[in-house]
Amino acid sequence: DGGITQSPKYLFRKEGQNVTLSCEQNLNHDAMYWYRQDPGQGLRLIYYSQIVNDFQKGDIAEGYSVSREKKESFPLTVTSAQKNPTAFYLCASSIDWTGGILALHFGNGTRLTVT
Amino acid sequence: AQKVTQAQTEISVVEKEDVTLDCVYETRDTTYYLFWYKQPPSGELVFLIRRNSFDEQNEISGRYSWNFQKSTSSFNFTITASQVVDSAVYFCALSGEGSNYKLTFGKGTLLTVNP
Repeated sequence: DGGITQSPKYLFRKEGQNVTLSCEQNLNHDAMYWYRQDPGQGLRLIYYSQIVNDFQKGDIAEGYSVSREKKESFPLTVTSAQKNPTAFYLCASSIDWTGGILALHFGNGTRLTVT
Repeated sequence: AQKVTQAQTEISVVEKEDVTLDCVYETRDTTYYLFWYKQPPSGELVFLIRRNSFDEQNEISGRYSWNFQKSTSSFNFTITASQVVDSAVYFCALSGEGSNYKLTFGKGTLLTVNP
């Protein structure tokens, strides 16, 4: 079955450590996105990539980094510079840049806890 | 700038009751798209519906119906004869030409359907 796989589901890290969240899709989608969700908040866009080897900052990119070396993979690194990293992170994909017109497909998310 | 407001943070109903989730949006774009996504306890967001700004027809899909009114900038979602499986967080979202079709999400409404 085609879909988006995020791993791990739960992740625990000590403050000051970088951590990388995995996102893999086998939908053959060009565009991929990372969102952050905090309790009682909507989703906020961290980074997005419309094509391989290209990505753009979203609304809250500070303290995060991404890479897009392969079409199916879009890992997100939460760096020690992110002041409040504990959150639920969702990866999404769309056929192309029209994800905001057609629809996004989402993974099951990774819940990151930093202590 | 675009904005989505879901004033209802939490709603609790008893099974078989009808329930309406409110969504009010703000945008200066002429061309824009409105969405509803469902987030069950498993975490992933599931696309429910999309509406473009030129189509104000209401839509019904089984027990779900949507009322789009440009005059009041609202895109409300009604579940008829609610079921326990409808329990989830529901997000309204907006994208427009002015934001290069990046999605803006509301904060979500947690719907609990009790047996």
